[in-house]
Amino acid sequence: GAGVSQSPRYKVTKRGQDVALRCDPISGHVSLYWYRQALGQGPEFLTYFNYEAQQDKSGLPNDRFSAERPEGSISTLTIQRTEQRDSAMYRCASSAPFAQHFGDGTRLSIL
Amino acid sequence: GEDVEQSLFLSVREGDSSVINCTYTDSSSTYLYWYKQEPGAGLQLLTYIFSNMDMKQDQRLTVLLNKKDKHLSLRIADTQTGDSAIYFCAESIETGGSYIPTFGRGTSLIVHP
Repeated sequence: GAGVSQSPRYKVTKRGQDVALRCDPISGHVSLYWYRQALGQGPEFLTYFNYEAQQDKSGLPNDRFSAERPEGSISTLTIQRTEQRDSAMYRCASSAPFAQHFGDGTRLSIL
Repeated sequence: GEDVEQSLFLSVREGDSSVINCTYTDSSSTYLYWYKQEPGAGLQLLTYIFSNMDMKQDQRLTVLLNKKDKHLSLRIADTQTGDSAIYFCAESIETGGSYIPTFGRGTSLIVHP
């Protein structure tokens, strides 16, 4: 596609459930990034990949959060045993090489 | 303190110029960016400037960089109501061939007719 695509756009789930958020980057972009954005804040870095290799996961809040990009294209961010504090907008971006292009995000609400 | 700081709100009249300011802390920043976020939409890259430049102009947008003071500004000429949005400043440092931006909290620009 022309831009970064994220799905679902909205996800509402009960506390304790696992969720998987998907990102389809711009074709040919090597780097893919995940961010979390709370209301009234700028995006906060979580992790990024070059091709299929996870280069930096220092921003992941704890071990309930994980991400993969097995074939160097589509990426999945997984949150296990969700908690209310995980509620936020989760944004994906891809770049080639220094300017990031963002998707519209997934709004995650944990009840 | 925050790495990238911006004022939270700016209100201007339609047709006037808007100037959104940003300060950052990392002197080794390589690229600096301005993003625009409209309600319900993703972040749109407006413009960026490489750290060895002082100014960049793109149609109604002018970016000024004062590297000594670590100050970045975005000027929007002839501001329109469609320019109302949140504007994020970001800095990035090259790490292993990638550039990971650090974002400010965003400045809400409100344009009055």
